[in-house]
Amino acid sequence: AQSVTQLGSHVSVSEGALVLLRCNYSSSVPPYLFWYVQYPNQGLQLLLKYTSAATLVKGINGFEAEFKKSETSFHLTKPSAHMSDAAEYFCAVSGLQGAQKLVFGQGTRLTINP
Amino acid sequence: DTEVTQTPKHLVMGMTNKKSLKCEQHMGHRAMYWYKQKAKKPPELMFVYSYEKLSINESVPSRFSPECPNSSLLNLHLHALQPEDSALYLCASSQDLSGNYNEQFFGPGTRLTVL
Repeated sequence: AQSVTQLGSHVSVSEGALVLLRCNYSSSVPPYLFWYVQYPNQGLQLLLKYTSAATLVKGINGFEAEFKKSETSFHLTKPSAHMSDAAEYFCAVSGLQGAQKLVFGQGTRLTINP
Repeated sequence: DTEVTQTPKHLVMGMTNKKSLKCEQHMGHRAMYWYKQKAKKPPELMFVYSYEKLSINESVPSRFSPECPNSSLLNLHLHALQPEDSALYLCASSQDLSGNYNEQFFGPGTRLTVL
């Protein structure tokens, strides 16, 4: 079955350290890829999206992600973590099951240590 | 206006009550969605509307009844819910369902508690 896998349900980094959240997808064709962030008791906010243009995508709040077809990956990075980055992050894919559906990964909770 | 709004923010209801959740967007989007999200889980798709017509029902129990009165509004009518239906209910919208590109804009959600 086509799916999205986020490696690590919980990632903890120190303030100022590199943030790396991993996402892999299974698909025979490059899909459309998204990263969403969810702060406690809030909805999902789009961080960035890959739509087959540049493979390195820059998003809001200093985040970026690189699409690597050979690795079927779309990992999310931020050079320097801030306390306000603590949240749940979801990788999502469209085009795997038709336009109607976004397929979400299980999510990664990011904790920032002072 | 790039916002999806949802009301109420919180809702507590008994198992015999009837209540409704409301979602509104003014981005001209023609696809709208209801999701259910349990704690520490990704959103689960419930319903999809395309051009005010129900496009997808993910085998949701009939105690949840969606309605799309116009292109900007989406309602979710609730009746005879169970405690396990307690969750965050998220509404989303996207431009339409053409092609495979589906960027969805999410509302803040309604936190539902069923007693």
